[in-house]
Amino acid sequence: AQSVTQPDIHITVSEGASLELRCNYSYGATPYLFWYVQSPGQGLQLLLKYFSGDTLVQGIKGFEAEFKRSQSSFNLRKPSVHWSDAAEYFCAVGGKNTDKLIFGTGTRLQVFP
Amino acid sequence: EAGVAQSPRYKIIEKRQSVAFWCNPISGHATLYWYQQILGQGPKLLIQFQNNGVVDDSQLPKDRFSAERLKGVDSTLKIQPAKLEDSAVYLCASSLGGISGYTFGSGTRLTVV
Repeated sequence: AQSVTQPDIHITVSEGASLELRCNYSYGATPYLFWYVQSPGQGLQLLLKYFSGDTLVQGIKGFEAEFKRSQSSFNLRKPSVHWSDAAEYFCAVGGKNTDKLIFGTGTRLQVFP
Repeated sequence: EAGVAQSPRYKIIEKRQSVAFWCNPISGHATLYWYQQILGQGPKLLIQFQNNGVVDDSQLPKDRFSAERLKGVDSTLKIQPAKLEDSAVYLCASSLGGISGYTFGSGTRLTVV
């Protein structure tokens, strides 16, 4: 079955601390992987995506993610979190022959000053 | 470029009433998607259009939900009659084609009481 698991429902970090959000996927074909961010009352904004090649991908707002095929993971990282990063983060998977995205349940990030 | 426009932003209706949502995709985007995002869950694809034809509506509850995309541009999603469990954010997205180019609208938050 195709699925995405984000094991952390809610994470709280202090401003300036490092961040890692976990994402594990199950997908029958070669996965295309995405991280989206959703601020309250807003739509989803693409942070970064991985299709192939270098397994460490850089995104917007200083985020990066690493694809690890052996672990079926695509964790999102940021070395120093800003208060404006507080939002909900969604990991998603798709494939070459489909337009359909399968989303995880999201991780809500809270940032303390 | 202008983003994906959705209206209304919020809607509160009583169960068994009907409701309609409207989406205007980015100009030139042939593919349009409607996703349902229930609180605490990730978005789930309801229906995908390619121009004015339906590509995938396997997850659309067709006994109460309907959608159309006349002339391959704007789209409407209708629920009739609404149930309590339809309370969710309804997100519209569009792309030129393929999974890599999604742009999401801000969504319509529906509350069924």
